[in-house]
Amino acid sequence: SYVLTQPPSVSVAPGQTARITCGGNNIGSKSVHWYQQKPGQAPVLVVYDDSDRPSGIPERFSGSNSGNTATLTISRVEAGDEADYYCQVWGSGSDHPVVFGGGTKLTVL
Amino acid sequence: EVHLVESGGGLVQPGGSLRLSCAASGFTFSNYSMTWVRQAPGKGLEWVSYISSSGRTIYYSDSVKGRFTFSRDNAENSLYLQMSGLRAEDTALYYCARDRGVGYRSGFDYWGQGTLVTVSS
Repeated sequence: SYVLTQPPSVSVAPGQTARITCGGNNIGSKSVHWYQQKPGQAPVLVVYDDSDRPSGIPERFSGSNSGNTATLTISRVEAGDEADYYCQVWGSGSDHPVVFGGGTKLTVL
Repeated sequence: EVHLVESGGGLVQPGGSLRLSCAASGFTFSNYSMTWVRQAPGKGLEWVSYISSSGRTIYYSDSVKGRFTFSRDNAENSLYLQMSGLRAEDTALYYCARDRGVGYRSGFDYWGQGTLVTVSS
């Protein structure tokens, strides 16, 4: 089945830019969705279809996807952005259609 | 406003059964595909099952195939996850979520708060 690989952790100082990667075989051919999950809360969709933002999500959150890597970029990072972030794609076929990455813990220093 | 409310979780012995429900409101339920995602304590998100808007297409992860049954009642705006043959590794917070794509597959834009399933003797 399709595998998505994320770094376990990323650290960034407030005001800087955080980049969280999601690796997968030819992931650029798929649509990638990103979720933010804070402790004790349900996940929140922050980017869908590679680079679109749901209403209410700040413009600081952006996404890109090409080749074997998709990237979630968070500009001007704030303390409130500290959370776990997960990428997700729809795999091919019916065997395992929904795939999540293992998640990345974003720490704001 | 869109709301998803899960219920039915609890403590069950290994080999036992449990039925989870998810009540949806605030949108035209019959237009949207839905999914169950679970999260074991301290772990990441794991997809469990998907159902199309009509209920005619259903997928399961390998870890639950043959043990879980996903269904929906569009007249009642509800989802159901019948779980049997439960194992310790099924212990998790179970979320229902909506696929934002109508007519195509996209991200999951609304999630419930989850219902906790604990499998233990």
